[in-house]
Amino acid sequence: EIVLTQSPATLSLSPGERATLSCRASQSVNNYLAWYQQKPGQAPRLLIYDASVRATGIPARFSGSGSETDFTLTISSLEPEDFAVYYCQQRTNWPPEFTFGPGTKVDIK
Amino acid sequence: QVQLVESGGGVVQPGRSLRLSCVVSGFSFSNYAMNWVRQAPGKGLEWVAVVSDDGSNTYYADSVKGRFSISRDKSKNTLYLQMYSLRAEDTALYFCTRQSEFYYFDYWGQGTLVTVSS
Repeated sequence: EIVLTQSPATLSLSPGERATLSCRASQSVNNYLAWYQQKPGQAPRLLIYDASVRATGIPARFSGSGSETDFTLTISSLEPEDFAVYYCQQRTNWPPEFTFGPGTKVDIK
Repeated sequence: QVQLVESGGGVVQPGRSLRLSCVVSGFSFSNYAMNWVRQAPGKGLEWVAVVSDDGSNTYYADSVKGRFSISRDKSKNTLYLQMYSLRAEDTALYFCTRQSEFYYFDYWGQGTLVTVSS
């Protein structure tokens, strides 16, 4: 079973600052990694898939990078609506299995 | 627009059963695999189960294998999760999700809360 680790657990930043979130896999997931944003009381929203592809409607300030076991989500300049919890997720083709990381909370400093 | 609306949650005693439903609209249901993902109160996300677009293949997380059954009815545009032998650790908000062509979860419902307690 592939385990995902996210760091830091909490990131305290101010609007306008750059956020860098990390996700590490216990073994290679190639580039089959996604990032989701979840705000309180809401369902998660897909931001990035296949490590670096922005999902439909996602602003350009969100970018993803990495491959194999190390991945990064970068928010270039935080907007007030970006303060939320971010999860990474990997998927295997066969058998189909999906694993989420524990999440990184981005809160207002 | 794409909509997924879950129902069927509630309070249930340990060992009992419950069936969740998810009615979808705004896309061709038969063209997409569908999943259930859950989130225990104050915790992270856990994938539960997937059913293929035609309903012929299903897969489960180890934590629910043998106790949960995922299915779909294309005539009703509805996804189901039948849960048996419920445990306290199954207490969670259960989300219905659409699996995109790239095998990620591109649309989510708002969730239905299942509480397992005596």
